[in-house]
Amino acid sequence: DVKVTQSSRYLVKRTGEKVFLECVQDMDHENMFWYRQDPGLGLRLIYFSYDVKMKEKGDIPEGYSVSREKKERFSLILESASTNQTSMYLCASSSRPGGPTNEKLFFGSGTQLSVL
Amino acid sequence: RKEVEQDPGPFNVPEGATVAFNCTYSNSASQSFFWYRQDCRKEPKLLMSVYSSGNEDGRFTAQLNRASQYISLLIRDSKLSDSATYLCAVNARDYKLSFGAGTTVTVRA
Repeated sequence: DVKVTQSSRYLVKRTGEKVFLECVQDMDHENMFWYRQDPGLGLRLIYFSYDVKMKEKGDIPEGYSVSREKKERFSLILESASTNQTSMYLCASSSRPGGPTNEKLFFGSGTQLSVL
Repeated sequence: RKEVEQDPGPFNVPEGATVAFNCTYSNSASQSFFWYRQDCRKEPKLLMSVYSSGNEDGRFTAQLNRASQYISLLIRDSKLSDSATYLCAVNARDYKLSFGAGTTVTVRA
């Protein structure tokens, strides 16, 4: 069974802390994504990566960075957490465009981050 | 204007009813369209892709109207288990899907 695993289901951090959210997929997918989901706003794309060591800004990259050192792992970093980054963070992966499942996203179960 | 917009609902319907809702998109160059289902406190999962000619998967029917730039989802013979939030997703460029905020459907006994 395909799987996208996020390291934590719930996290509580303090303002100003550096926060790492980890995501691992076992499907050998090229593309990986980080979204945040807030009530009424839906899923908003923070960053994505279409290959190892490659990254692209999404719609709301401010205050975040990412790292993709290995194909299966995509990390989201909050350099200095702020209260407005309290949200549900969802990682997803997909195979390369052109394939039969090129645009089907597989999501992890999410990390609910609270910044106090 | 948001790239993808949905009526948030909620749509409260009795079991056995038909419910339908739309999703509008702003980019006329959009190429691919999807419906995802998200249960409470769970991750989104792909429900179905939406093809130009319209497509059906059991009790679910998806339609695309390119002229008016919207997609629709119709659920026939609603079941209690259909209660969820339905997210539409639109891909205008490689790699990236834009999601709507979701339409909540509640099916009551």
